[in-house]
Amino acid sequence: NAGVMQNPRHLVRRRGQEARLRCSPMKGHSHVYWYRQLPEEGLKFMVYLQKENIIDESGMPKERFSAEFPKEGPSILRIQQVVRGDSAAYFCASSLTSGSLNEQFFGPGTRLTVL
Amino acid sequence: GQQLNQSPQSMFIQEGEDVSMNCTSSSIFNTWLWYKQDPGEGPVLLIALYKAGELTSNGRLTAQFGITRKDSFLNISASIPSDVGIYFCAGYSDSWGKLQFGAGTQVVVTP
Repeated sequence: NAGVMQNPRHLVRRRGQEARLRCSPMKGHSHVYWYRQLPEEGLKFMVYLQKENIIDESGMPKERFSAEFPKEGPSILRIQQVVRGDSAAYFCASSLTSGSLNEQFFGPGTRLTVL
Repeated sequence: GQQLNQSPQSMFIQEGEDVSMNCTSSSIFNTWLWYKQDPGEGPVLLIALYKAGELTSNGRLTAQFGITRKDSFLNISASIPSDVGIYFCAGYSDSWGKLQFGAGTQVVVTP
């Protein structure tokens, strides 16, 4: 019973390059969430997607960041023209339902380092 | 925006001691979740609370959803070395998808 999977686990990019982070939710989960964590801080919500739809993107920067969750395949968080401030751990979570009984299960994260 | 205040920031305890941490919010929360994060890993869900006043246990862990719906605490009894890690409170207030996290409590257990 595989959990949430993320790849790559570590990603190094130079300033100006693109970073593409992938997330495969738990089997049967159609709700996916992306969070960002800076060192010694809690996780900060970025975006909530449900198959092919963005439900809430209020935590995602308007520029350079985009997310998708296609009908087939993993969810992708894309960061264009990365800057040093994008260096962080990015976590994906998935849930079976939405609403008050929503339990989100997290993947191991992708640690992005921008040189 | 709304903030979760988690305390203490860190705790250094001896093996066998009990640990207590709490979270407070200026807003009402509908759900409280407690997670543990080990270095280099994602948060792992420990306990979920859904009703005001609810008290739930998971082994040596006990958590409560405050009556005012603005706070929650987590207790760890008889700590062991593998309890080392960062514990986060999290919850939903006005948006079902957006989990808000506290800043974390780092627990260090010495033998």
